[in-house]
Amino acid sequence: NAGVMQNPRHLVRRRGQEARLRCSPMKGHSHVYWYRQLPEEGLKFMVYLQKENIIDESGMPKERFSAEFPKEGPSILRIQQVVRGDSAAYFCASSPPETPNYGYTFGSGTRLTVV
Amino acid sequence: SQKIEQNSEALNIQEGKTATLTCNYTNYSPAYLQWYRQDPGRGPVFLLLIRENEKEKRKERLKVTFDTTLKQSLFHITASQPADSATYLCAHNYGQNFVFGPGTRLSVLP
Repeated sequence: NAGVMQNPRHLVRRRGQEARLRCSPMKGHSHVYWYRQLPEEGLKFMVYLQKENIIDESGMPKERFSAEFPKEGPSILRIQQVVRGDSAAYFCASSPPETPNYGYTFGSGTRLTVV
Repeated sequence: SQKIEQNSEALNIQEGKTATLTCNYTNYSPAYLQWYRQDPGRGPVFLLLIRENEKEKRKERLKVTFDTTLKQSLFHITASQPADSATYLCAHNYGQNFVFGPGTRLSVLP
């Protein structure tokens, strides 16, 4: 079991470009969560998805950010027209449908740097 | 809005001693509290979950308590080792996801 796979591990984008972050949950997990972590800060919730559904996007900025978890393929977090303040580590986590609250399995994260 | 505080940003202890980390929460009554370990450049790793009706949970050298009156959880590592050095995060459920504290960076000195 490969765990939660995130790619790329590191992503550099110029201001104004788009960033696409991918997350493949653990096998058998149907709940996906995206968190952002700024240096020396805690994890901030962004969005919670199940297959083809956004369950809670209350932590996601209203503009430029979007997320999806299609029926086939990984979950994608998309940031359009990136700005320097988007530089952070983005973590994806997954949990099984039977015990979504038990404990998350996190990926190793994508470190986005906007130059 | 809900808020989680962890006792200190950094904690240094001597190898072999017991490390105690504190997590305080406000403006919410969670049903679950979780503790995670995070190493530099890595994602958090789930350690323990404790439910509101449980006073204490143990796993090997780890012990977690949950006091709903004080709105506090304590996380203990007994017989600490340098390999326990990491940042430890507490989190509680909020709606359908979890809210995380800022973490405490633990250093176990040989």
